Amino acid sequence: GESVGLHLPTLSVQEGDNSIINCAYSNSASDYFIWYKQESGKGPQFIIDIRSNMDKRQGQRVTVLLNKTVKHLSLQIAATQPGDSAVYFCAENLGTGGSYIPTFGRGTSLIVHP
Amino acid sequence: DAGVTQSPTHLIKTRGQQVTLRCSPKSGHDTVSWYQQALGQGPQFIFQYYEEEERQRGNFPDRFSGHQFPNYSSELNVNALLLGDSALYLCASSPMVAGGQETQYFGPGTRLLVL
Repeated sequence: GESVGLHLPTLSVQEGDNSIINCAYSNSASDYFIWYKQESGKGPQFIIDIRSNMDKRQGQRVTVLLNKTVKHLSLQIAATQPGDSAVYFCAENLGTGGSYIPTFGRGTSLIVHP
Repeated sequence: DAGVTQSPTHLIKTRGQQVTLRCSPKSGHDTVSWYQQALGQGPQFIFQYYEEEERQRGNFPDRFSGHQFPNYSSELNVNALLLGDSALYLCASSPMVAGGQETQYFGPGTRLLVL
């Protein structure tokens, strides 16, 4: 079946560096994508989303890029801070019956070294 | 404004028992979804409730059932617990609007351990 996956399970960076977390999706019908951050002992927290009619969207210190041609999604975090250490999930959304149900990949663990 | 709340935070059960988990959605949200997150994995969709009815369901057995109340809060019930049911159970809420493209907001989860 089609699924969402991440290229790197663990990413280690130094504080202040920029981080890039990648995600591949395979369902061409997906038209809405979300990045979530999950800290230890907490539920996933919405970071940023992007719809398929866009290829880039910027938030505060974060940018999401969408390449529909190769079905690739990335999350860029500028000036990474220790508080950014968490597991990051991309989720593709399939509109079914008028409601979007996100399908999550395994996640990438981001470790920020001070 | 309180976000999504879940209770209890932790729970220990034995095989064969039944468990009920509870969720209160974010204010203004009328749709509740439940997810199971095994250790080291992403959340897996169990089902979604809207207007007190199950609208969509993921690939989970009938041992997993739910309910939504008129105040939009929800319960997840799991019967005949198996060791493999040990996981973090997440509740997410969202408003039901035309097009359905509304972000879900997650609660902190209930950690269930089945012995």
